[in-house]
Amino acid sequence: GAGVSQSPSNKVTEKGKDVELRCDPISGHTALYWYRQSLGQGLEFLIYFQGNSAPDKSGLPSDRFSAERTGGSVSTLTIQRTQQEDSAVYLCASSSRAGYNEQFFGPGTRLTVL
Amino acid sequence: AQSVTQPDIHITVSEGASLELRCNYSYGATPYLFWYVQSPGQGLQLLLKYFSGDTLVQGIKGFEAEFKRSQSSFNLRKPSVHWSDAAEYFCAVGLIQGAQKLVFGQGTRLTINP
Repeated sequence: GAGVSQSPSNKVTEKGKDVELRCDPISGHTALYWYRQSLGQGLEFLIYFQGNSAPDKSGLPSDRFSAERTGGSVSTLTIQRTQQEDSAVYLCASSSRAGYNEQFFGPGTRLTVL
Repeated sequence: AQSVTQPDIHITVSEGASLELRCNYSYGATPYLFWYVQSPGQGLQLLLKYFSGDTLVQGIKGFEAEFKRSQSSFNLRKPSVHWSDAAEYFCAVGLIQGAQKLVFGQGTRLTINP
């Protein structure tokens, strides 16, 4: 597709379970970002991938959160042992180096932890 | 630390009226500035951006914004709003160094009265 896609669009899980959220960036975009949008915290940066460089994980809230990007394209955000405070919308964005800092966002995954 | 403040959590205007959404930032250098719009259930869409040059920037959907360095502001304006402009608006600053992540304001929810 032409834009950033994310799956699933909605995820309901039980406290303590692990979840995986997927992001397909725009083809050819070398930079990929994950953000979290929650009522209490607004939009927060989580992690950033640029090409083959080591990711910037400075925004990950705890070691239960991890992300990987395979083949420089698809990315997976994993949350282990989910907690209720993890409930939020997780947004993925991608950008090209030519479009410096112009990030294109996906529709997000709404995660609900019961 | 970098921060973005949107003083107005919620604004209501009548259809056809003019609009100004306020944004103030704190950043040690000339920032990259953005306005994004988020409609219900949708991802973030870029309205406009400022990198350098002319301080009055034009965006999509008839929006414009003016960068005022002396006031550390980047207010969004539209001369005449339409009912379809009802959405949440986010101001963001892009960091030049490092991860080039976006730091967002808390958002302003815009309601349009018919």
